[in-house]
Amino acid sequence: QKEVEQNSGPLSVPEGAIASLNCTYSDRGSQSFFWYRQYSGKSPELIMFIYSNGDKEDGRFTAQLNKASQYVSLLIRDSQPSDSATYLCAVTLYGGATNKLIFGTGTLLAVQP
Amino acid sequence: DGGITQSPKYLFRKEGQNVTLSCEQNLNHDAMYWYRQDPGQGLRLIYYSQIVNDFQKGDIAEGYSVSREKKESFPLTVTSAQKNPTAFYLCASSSGGHQETQYFGPGTRLLVL
Repeated sequence: QKEVEQNSGPLSVPEGAIASLNCTYSDRGSQSFFWYRQYSGKSPELIMFIYSNGDKEDGRFTAQLNKASQYVSLLIRDSQPSDSATYLCAVTLYGGATNKLIFGTGTLLAVQP
Repeated sequence: DGGITQSPKYLFRKEGQNVTLSCEQNLNHDAMYWYRQDPGQGLRLIYYSQIVNDFQKGDIAEGYSVSREKKESFPLTVTSAQKNPTAFYLCASSSGGHQETQYFGPGTRLLVL
């Protein structure tokens, strides 16, 4: 079983709609959760992080975390064509003094004008 | 401007050649990381360093080597032992500690001639 799983997509939504991106993880001890956006040929850029159960909002983005279900999601409201990118979910596994960030393979989002 | 720089943007390797990828950060971050990204796959950790003069192997360290002589610099050498080096190489840094957030440089694309 993969440690962090995402649907590879593509997820296609019309401009102005809500895009919902989902991620599940296998390690119940995971404590930190991150969403990165990666445009084609570019490096990942941080969109949001969340540590506690519930919702966290930042502008058009909302991260949702449910540790009991081992599920984290990212909602993008009023989707724009510029949001078209691959979204990477990442989870921190703690091992003694070192922390490892485990990435999913990403979900490709396509926002149609 | 604070940030992470990687050079070169593109690198070509000949058979049997060792090549070194540069990563520099002026964010005063303690921890630095090297990842490899292949098409359709998530980021995989090659090496990481939590402090100067110390580094640990990640999940795919074979065929790679690193050094951390300065806090700002974490160069990666791709040796001739790495038989499939063609990939997008990403350097990241973080302030360290729990709930840390990793920030990425622009990446180096390595191609084999």
